[in-house]
Amino acid sequence: DTAVSQTPKYLVTQMGNDKSIKCEQNLGHDTMYWYKQDSKKFLKIMFSYNNKELIINETVPNRFSPKSPDKAHLNLHINSLELGDSAVYFCASSPRGGGVDTGELFFGEGSRLTVL
Amino acid sequence: EDKVVQSPLSLVVHEGDTVTLNCSYEVTNFRSLLWYKQEKKAPTFLFMLTSSGIEKKSGRLSSILDKKELSSILNITATQTGDSAIYLCASLQGAQKLVFGQGTRLTINP
Repeated sequence: DTAVSQTPKYLVTQMGNDKSIKCEQNLGHDTMYWYKQDSKKFLKIMFSYNNKELIINETVPNRFSPKSPDKAHLNLHINSLELGDSAVYFCASSPRGGGVDTGELFFGEGSRLTVL
Repeated sequence: EDKVVQSPLSLVVHEGDTVTLNCSYEVTNFRSLLWYKQEKKAPTFLFMLTSSGIEKKSGRLSSILDKKELSSILNITATQTGDSAIYLCASLQGAQKLVFGQGTRLTINP
């Protein structure tokens, strides 16, 4: 059973298109995240949701919009894709509501987005 | 600006060697320092360090935090090819935010 699952795993698209990445966790965690890992392997937080409520919103262009229909799902929609959006996007969840108290993030396997 | 810096960026050693990976942090509202291992896909959790000077150990891996120096090291003894991965250090800031370093790519040659 996959704990944090993301779809699609690979996405190749043209500049200007709109795309979505879905994430689901079956761990019963309250907190979910989106991270972006660039070509240099830098992993940067984009968003954090706690029980469907937006907690962290880093300096991310408005073209990125997260949506959490329930606490087990956190989707990422990207409008007007640009070349610089090419990266691996990781979804993650953490066990304690409101805090990463154990320090343990459970990551999905990543969604590799390539914008041509 | 909050930052976490790891060194070296890349390290190639032979099986059986011992390696030390470094991490320094400069963040506001620091809570803990974490280490992750990333092989092909998702990073997996290794250690969380909150108190200075207390070593955490898991098999051949160990790690320690120095809050005075704002740094941490990750040691791997008797390395094996399966230890080849990117090792990520992250600082837990406030309630939920992890600030990651750029990672150290470790390659273990047979």
